[in-house]
Amino acid sequence: GAVVSQHPSRVICKSGTSVKIECRSLDFQATTMFWYRQFPKQSLMLMATSNEGSKATYEQGVEKDKFLINHASLTLSTLTVTSAHPEDSSFYICSARDHRTSYNEQFFGPGTRLTVL
Amino acid sequence: DAKTTQPPSMDCAEGRAANLPCNHSTISGNEYVYWYRQIHSQGPQYIIHGLKNNETNEMASLIITEDRKSSTLILPHATLRDTAVYYCIVSPTNAGKSTFGDGTTLTVKP
Repeated sequence: GAVVSQHPSRVICKSGTSVKIECRSLDFQATTMFWYRQFPKQSLMLMATSNEGSKATYEQGVEKDKFLINHASLTLSTLTVTSAHPEDSSFYICSARDHRTSYNEQFFGPGTRLTVL
Repeated sequence: DAKTTQPPSMDCAEGRAANLPCNHSTISGNEYVYWYRQIHSQGPQYIIHGLKNNETNEMASLIITEDRKSSTLILPHATLRDTAVYYCIVSPTNAGKSTFGDGTTLTVKP
């Protein structure tokens, strides 16, 4: 089956620093990747849709200058949390669509736990 | 995306079938029903999807009513490892984003 990896799985950083999270599709090409954020005991909240070679589409209320997304290749998308603050602490999850299929199933990464001190 | 409604929680005895309902009364003709599950502190896992016919794979069965306004995910022989939050989503093909609701927390008990 389709496999999506994320790196790092867990990161702790100081307030004001930037953190980059990588999302890779390992055995398929993904023209579209998605970034979600999940707070404890809550559902996944879509942050942005990342399309290879073009600018990401951000959901309402998500600051595009704070959450920088780059989808430079068909197998890699990155999310950079700039000037992180404690309220950015969350579980960040990416997903990818396999461009070979006409369906909309998504394959999710294992998530990245970000803690901002 | 059409909105879905799921019960917040359900229990199931180990070895028994788990039947998880989902209402999607505003589903459009071109929208599929997708099911995912999320085990604690992990990324969601795709389970199954369907349009109007019932579907079965190695993980589960999906039963969609004739009017497509509701569906049921069936785990035929639930195990403790099936304890997770199950999400029902409706979305057109090639639509891009999917909106996750609150899901159903399934607890499989020994």
